[in-house]
Amino acid sequence: AQSVSQHNHHVILSEAASLELGCNYSYGGTVNLFWYVQYPGQHLQLLLKYFSGDPLVKGIKGFEAEFIKSKFSFNLRKPSVQWSDTAEYFCAVADGGSQGNLIFGKGTKLSVKP
Amino acid sequence: GAGVSQSPSNKVTEKGKDVELRCDPISGHTALYWYRQSLGQGLEFLIYFQGNSAPDKSGLPSDRFSAERTGGSVSTLTIQRTQQEDSAVYLCASSLAGARYGYTFGSGTRLTVV
Repeated sequence: AQSVSQHNHHVILSEAASLELGCNYSYGGTVNLFWYVQYPGQHLQLLLKYFSGDPLVKGIKGFEAEFIKSKFSFNLRKPSVQWSDTAEYFCAVADGGSQGNLIFGKGTKLSVKP
Repeated sequence: GAGVSQSPSNKVTEKGKDVELRCDPISGHTALYWYRQSLGQGLEFLIYFQGNSAPDKSGLPSDRFSAERTGGSVSTLTIQRTQQEDSAVYLCASSLAGARYGYTFGSGTRLTVV
């Protein structure tokens, strides 16, 4: 069965610090990968997604993620975080070859200190 | 509609009572998903509907949980004889053509069983 691991439960950074949130998945076939963000009091929103092609994916608000197939990883990065990035971030994987549902990680809470 | 609509936004119920949660997906989206979000547990898949196919119920935690989707649109998640461990945020999402294209989430229903 597919699974997603997010290594950090809670990350605390100061503004302007660089961010990298880890995500590893277990599935040997074709995958589609996603990062969702949930700002305080808001619903889950798509941050970025990987289908195929360039493994470096750019999303909204300056976020990017790199798909490394050999490492089964899809880490999220941002060069300089802002206080407004405080949120919970969820990595998710879908089987790229069939219908089904997204499998989510347990999430990483990011707190950015002003 | 413009987004995925869920009702009620909050529900407090007594242990042992039945509850119904409603989801109205984006018009034209063929796939509809229910998840449960508990503190520290991430998003737990419950059930999904894809077009006219039989629903995938593999995530339902017990036979107290059921869901239906009428006319390929609105869905209702029913929890019978609620227990305190059912307390969570129940999220609905829809997708134009399947999980591998990503979801649009609703704002969720916060269920509290007292």
